[in-house]
Amino acid sequence: EPEVTQTPSHQVTQMGQEVILRCVPISNHLYFYWYRQILGQKVEFLVSFYNNEISEKSEIFDDQFSVERPDGSNFTLKIRSTKLEDSAMYFCASSFQGDGANVLTFGAGSRLTVL
Amino acid sequence: AQSVAQPEDQVNVAEGNPLTVKCTYSVSGNPYLFWYVQYPNRGLQFLLKYITGDNLVKGSYGFEAEFNKSQTSFHLKKPSALVSDSALYFCAVSRDKLIFGTGTRLQVFP
Repeated sequence: EPEVTQTPSHQVTQMGQEVILRCVPISNHLYFYWYRQILGQKVEFLVSFYNNEISEKSEIFDDQFSVERPDGSNFTLKIRSTKLEDSAMYFCASSFQGDGANVLTFGAGSRLTVL
Repeated sequence: AQSVAQPEDQVNVAEGNPLTVKCTYSVSGNPYLFWYVQYPNRGLQFLLKYITGDNLVKGSYGFEAEFNKSQTSFHLKKPSALVSDSALYFCAVSRDKLIFGTGTRLQVFP
């Protein structure tokens, strides 16, 4: 069964450093998403991406965050200058269509620890 | 705005007994409702969804959920729980983006 692959599985970084989290969505999917889950809390929407541009973003997704699909297969989330409160599990997801009825397929997540 | 509430942080049930994990939603218009499950150190896995039609939706691993429009609820159920069902369960609502509830930890005891 096709999977969404995320790397790294765990990254530890110092506050203020840049971090890039990588995702390989399912190959025929067209819509891509990032969510995050702070330990013990709810899964929060960050951003959706389609046709090489952001479709929607939440208030969490401020100027420190950016997304990119650099080569047609990878989908990356960059945090420019990490803060302690960015420590969380980050989930990438993809779907074939973008309407609300579609099922999102999630990766296993990348755990980010900011010290 | 769309939102989902899962009133129970944890549900405990004995193996073989029926289980219910509660979810209520708030959304303008017709809702698209989902249940996802998260096993330890794993991503979110789709269980089932309600789009339209029959109020009782059947999904993976013997789970089902009942859509109740008057009560704005979408409770997850299973007639006979297994220890392997122990996991974190998320209800979600979608119009333009998928919004999750806070999650309910299901613990099934042997």
